[in-house]
Amino acid sequence: GEEVAQTPKHLVRGEGQKAKLYCAPIKGHSYVFWYQQVLKNEFKFLISFQNENVFDETGMPKERFSAKCLPNSPCSLEIQATKLEDSAVYFCASSPPWGNQPQHFGDGTRLSIL
Amino acid sequence: AQSVSQHNHHVILSEAASLELGCNYSYGGTVNLFWYVQYPGQHLQLLLKYFSGDPLVKGIKGFEAEFIKSKFSFNLRKPSVQWSDTAEYFCAVIVKAAGNKLTFGGGTRVLVKP
Repeated sequence: GEEVAQTPKHLVRGEGQKAKLYCAPIKGHSYVFWYQQVLKNEFKFLISFQNENVFDETGMPKERFSAKCLPNSPCSLEIQATKLEDSAVYFCASSPPWGNQPQHFGDGTRLSIL
Repeated sequence: AQSVSQHNHHVILSEAASLELGCNYSYGGTVNLFWYVQYPGQHLQLLLKYFSGDPLVKGIKGFEAEFIKSKFSFNLRKPSVQWSDTAEYFCAVIVKAAGNKLTFGGGTRVLVKP
């Protein structure tokens, strides 16, 4: 598609439950990025993929967070045993395989942990 | 670690006023610079970008930004704002030596009064 598609738009989970977010990048884009925005403040980089390979995971919390980009499937970000502090909007972005191209963002998934 | 600072958290101005939003970054090497805008309830949209060449960059909707390398700055300007420019504006940087992830500033919320 021509837009980065994120699902669901809103996700509510009780503390300790699992949360799974999905992202379909723009067709032809080979880079996928996940960012976390807490309380409408700064965007924090989590992880990026080049096709199905992890490209940069320096922002991923060591525990509970995992992500995948498998062929012919939406990319996913999964949080195990969620905590209140995981409440945030999670944005996915994608960019083309050639250099010096901006990232295109999805609408985000608002995750609320109760 | 690199950082991006946006000096103004909130700006309120009237239609037809001029707008300038400050952005400074802390990394001395090669950078790509971006301004994104987030209208209420929408996803991040790219306003303009700088990769190389002319340091004065023109973007969409009448916005422009000037890269001043000696000041590590990339300030955003618009000569005459409209009510529809009410939004949150984010400056972002890619440090080439650190991969292709975006490092964002804290954002500036702009309210244009009709």
